[in-house]
Amino acid sequence: AQSVTQLGSHVSVSEGALVLLRCNYSSSVPPYLFWYVQYPNQGLQLLLKYTSAATLVKGINGFEAEFKKSETSFHLTKPSAHMSDAAEYFCAVMRDNAGNMLTFGGGTRLMVKP
Amino acid sequence: ETGVTQTPRHLVMGMTNKKSLKCEQHLGHNAMYWYKQSAKKPLELMFVYSLEERVENNSVPSRFSPECPNSSHLFLHLHTLQPEDSALYLCASSQDRGIYGYTFGSGTRLTVV
Repeated sequence: AQSVTQLGSHVSVSEGALVLLRCNYSSSVPPYLFWYVQYPNQGLQLLLKYTSAATLVKGINGFEAEFKKSETSFHLTKPSAHMSDAAEYFCAVMRDNAGNMLTFGGGTRLMVKP
Repeated sequence: ETGVTQTPRHLVMGMTNKKSLKCEQHLGHNAMYWYKQSAKKPLELMFVYSLEERVENNSVPSRFSPECPNSSHLFLHLHTLQPEDSALYLCASSQDRGIYGYTFGSGTRLTVV
């Protein structure tokens, strides 16, 4: 079974600082990987996805993530945090066998200080 | 309307009530999902419908009953719920296996009193 671990349920950064949200997955084969963002009282919005093409994936709002097979990681970064980035971020992995379902990590709440 | 629409946005119901949550997608997708999001717990997949056929039922109590009358609509029928069922219920849709991602609705915030 696949699983996703997000290190740090809460991350706080200052506005303008680097954002780094960590995600590690367990998988016997290269998976499909995703990052979603959830703003208060909203559903989840897709930020970016890795589907076995380029290992560095660029998403919306200046976010990017790098797939590192040797580390089984898919960390999310943004060079400079903005107040509007404050939200909850979820890493997710797609099961590799038949059946279409995402498994989500526990989420990381990003707080941005002025 | 575009995307995935969920109604109602908020619902308060007593433990003896019967209510239904509705989800509608306008994306031409062929798979739909119900997720439960509780405080301090990971997102829980409840049901998956692919081509209108239920393909996953993750040990969800029978007081939750899904219905998918066509590829654009998904319902979650609720009856005799418990206070611990209070949560945000999210609907999502995808094309085929969803390897390009799911599209989520804004959710229904359910409170059971």
